[in-house]
Amino acid sequence: GQQVMQIPQYQHVQEGEDFTTYCNSSTTLSNIQWYKQRPGGHPVFLIQLVKSGEVKKQKRLTFQFGEAKKNSSLHITATQTTDVGTYFCAGRGGSQGNLIFGKGTKLSVKP
Amino acid sequence: NAGVTQTPKFQVLKTGQSMTLQCAQDMNHEYMSWYRQDPGMGLRLIHYSVGAGITDQGEVPNGYNVSRSTTEDFPLRLLSAAPSQTSVYFCASSYSMSSGSSNEQFFGPGTRLTVL
Repeated sequence: GQQVMQIPQYQHVQEGEDFTTYCNSSTTLSNIQWYKQRPGGHPVFLIQLVKSGEVKKQKRLTFQFGEAKKNSSLHITATQTTDVGTYFCAGRGGSQGNLIFGKGTKLSVKP
Repeated sequence: NAGVTQTPKFQVLKTGQSMTLQCAQDMNHEYMSWYRQDPGMGLRLIHYSVGAGITDQGEVPNGYNVSRSTTEDFPLRLLSAAPSQTSVYFCASSYSMSSGSSNEQFFGPGTRLTVL
């Protein structure tokens, strides 16, 4: 079945450093979504990417969807302590499929 | 709008006990789902529903039952709790299951379940 792999599992950075998490699917995706989960909280939607090669920005966050629609990345520039949490990607294989979540990347930021 | 609500927030069960985790949404969403989250395992889909009266199994359905008698409610039943079901359970809803624009999932606050 469809699998979504996400790396790294953990990332520890100094405040001000950049951070990137990568997501790879075993099959072509119709879209990909990104979620953030703060410690002790629930996942919160960040963004959805649909088009091949799409790039979207939200302040210091940059999201990319690969040309083949099988991979995606989230890059945070100049991390802040408020960026702490676990970032999940979630891909949808078909036009009417369930979202398949990656295992997440847990980000910690040292002040 | 309250969004997605879940009760209880915490629960401790003994092996063999049964219970129902409640989930409700007030956004008139067609699609509702249950996930369990375990350390290092991400979010795994247990069951989902695309509308009242329609449910289907996800990745890890064994030991759980669901029903969807109304659009708003989607309870998850543990038939005979086992220690392997110790986890954090999230209910989520979205407008539909399609890959259309803005079809984000809204998650409830979660239920932290411990089975002894």
